[in-house]
Amino acid sequence: GQQLNQSPQSMFIQEGEDVSMNCTSSSIFNTWLWYKQDPGEGPVLLIALYKAGELTSNGRLTAQFGITRKDSFLNISASIPSDVGIYFCAAPQGGKLIFGQGTELSVKP
Amino acid sequence: GAGVSQSPSNKVTEKGKDVELRCDPISGHTALYWYRQSLGQGLEFLIYFQGNSAPDKSGLPSDRFSAERTGGSVSTLTIQRTQQEDSAVYLCASSSPAGAQYFGPGTRLTVL
Repeated sequence: GQQLNQSPQSMFIQEGEDVSMNCTSSSIFNTWLWYKQDPGEGPVLLIALYKAGELTSNGRLTAQFGITRKDSFLNISASIPSDVGIYFCAAPQGGKLIFGQGTELSVKP
Repeated sequence: GAGVSQSPSNKVTEKGKDVELRCDPISGHTALYWYRQSLGQGLEFLIYFQGNSAPDKSGLPSDRFSAERTGGSVSTLTIQRTQQEDSAVYLCASSSPAGAQYFGPGTRLTVL
């Protein structure tokens, strides 16, 4: 089936640093979504992107929908300890979502 | 309720037993989805209900897995004759048509 390739797989950063992660695909998508999952919880939607080239912010989070429609990135600025968790990109395919493998973020105070 | 709810939150069962997992979607959401997440992995699609249409069962891993959605609302995922490889977190999500999916907290299933 279709795959979303997400990188990096994990990141260990210092509080206050900026973070960047991305997703790529061999297929074109019309929507890109970014979710965060805390331990023992379901994924929570952070940002939804619906238009190629779109740049959208949600507080310290910024995401972009690549112009080719085959990629997206998520930036987190000035990281804080509560940013810890697993971040997933996702895209709709035939009604369901397909997910990247996730980026596990660890933040050292 | 305000969000998607799932029950039970944890389920421990013996190999070979049947289990039922429940999902209550957000009120008014016509679409409901089941996903499975194995330890340290991304989410794997299982089944998708949209309104009165026939469900998309293309992600169900075997005929031991089935799901129902009664009255266009609550859904039950049933796993028969559970195996150890069925151990995972089972996540339910719901959405409005063409809207983003909102997830429940999941049911952690452990098959001994």
